[in-house]
Amino acid sequence: QKEVEQDPGPLSVPEGAIVSLNCTYSNSAFQYFMWYRQYSRKGPELLMYTYSSGNKEDGRFTAQVDKSSKYISLFIRDSQPSDSATYLCAMSDLAQGGSEKLVFGKGTKLTVNP
Amino acid sequence: NAGVTQTPKFRILKIGQSMTLQCAQDMNHNYMYWYRQDPGMGLKLIYYSVGAGITDKGEVPNGYNVSRSTTEDFPLRLELAAPSQTSVYFCASSHRRTSYEQYFGPGTRLTVT
Repeated sequence: QKEVEQDPGPLSVPEGAIVSLNCTYSNSAFQYFMWYRQYSRKGPELLMYTYSSGNKEDGRFTAQVDKSSKYISLFIRDSQPSDSATYLCAMSDLAQGGSEKLVFGKGTKLTVNP
Repeated sequence: NAGVTQTPKFRILKIGQSMTLQCAQDMNHNYMYWYRQDPGMGLKLIYYSVGAGITDKGEVPNGYNVSRSTTEDFPLRLELAAPSQTSVYFCASSHRRTSYEQYFGPGTRLTVT
């Protein structure tokens, strides 16, 4: 079983839709959970991070972590064409290792159609 | 601040050739990383550095070498290029060892034929 599993999509939605992106993981030691956004032919950039379990909201974006199910989600409300990108989840147990131990998902490619 | 810069943007190599991918950051970050990203395969860590003069292997180091003589620069050397090294290479940096945020460069697209 891979440490981090992420459905690569592609996912295509109409503008204004609610988007749900998900990752599952196997390492119960992971405590830091991140979502990176990568536009086409660009480097990834950090979108949101969550420590341990719970929800975090930032504008139209909500990150959720369910450690009991080893499942994380990113919700995008009122999706816009500018949200079209690949979304990579990443996670780590930074308390036990450095950021060189970040484990990335394969990324989900999202297209929001006008 | 330019952040993390990478050169070249694109390169085509013939099998057996060598090249150096350049990476520089102007954020005074001690930690720097090299990743490769293959279609549908996510980011794989090649090498990383925790400061000038200190480097260590990541998940996929074979066929690559690095050096870190200054805080700003972290070049990646490919010796005897092989088709399996066709990929997009990203350099990244972070402020601390326990930083969850890595700052990525724009990438270098390398094709080996």
